[in-house]
Amino acid sequence: GDSVTQMEGPVTLSEEAFLTINCTYTATGYPSLFWYVQYPGEGLQLLLKATKADDKGSNKGFEATYRKETTSFHLEKGSVQVSDSAVYFCALSDGYGNKLVFGAGTILRVKS
Amino acid sequence: DGGITQSPKYLFRKEGQNVTLSCEQNLNHDAMYWYRQDPGQGLRLIYYSQIVNDFQKGDIAEGYSVSREKKESFPLTVTSAQKNPTAFYLCASSIGQADYEQYFGPGTRLTVT
Repeated sequence: GDSVTQMEGPVTLSEEAFLTINCTYTATGYPSLFWYVQYPGEGLQLLLKATKADDKGSNKGFEATYRKETTSFHLEKGSVQVSDSAVYFCALSDGYGNKLVFGAGTILRVKS
Repeated sequence: DGGITQSPKYLFRKEGQNVTLSCEQNLNHDAMYWYRQDPGQGLRLIYYSQIVNDFQKGDIAEGYSVSREKKESFPLTVTSAQKNPTAFYLCASSIGQADYEQYFGPGTRLTVT
């Protein structure tokens, strides 16, 4: 079945450092890909999405490019802030459009 | 303000009791979802509903039940048959199919002792 694999955390960075969180997927068909963010004690919020190969999603300085050849959707940010500390989830739609499949999540901690 | 409401935020129950978690949305979304979140395991889909009076089992439906009598409401009952019910439960909705953004509620943390 469809699955998403994320790099294990926690990832600890200093403020203004470059961030990469790796995400790879296995899916039939042509899924849409998503990054969601969860701040402490809250639900998830959509950070960005891409619906087809080579699409780049971007929001709040974060970017991710849908790479079909490597089945990847890595999240990047050029300069992280303390306020970016959260859990980041990579997800894909299941190809039938019925549900999302989530990765295990990656904890990001940014130190000032 | 449009959004999803889950109540209560914290819920405590004794083993062997059924408990119902509330989820209400005023976004006029057709689809609604229930997820369970455990540390280190991401989100797992319990049930989803794409239209009123219809719902489907997700990946971990055993020990849970739902109803969808109204478009804006999708309550989840955690029954005594659920072997390990202590978890963080998240409700979500979307306009239609999952390619659309899912909007999440703040979650309910259920503790069963």
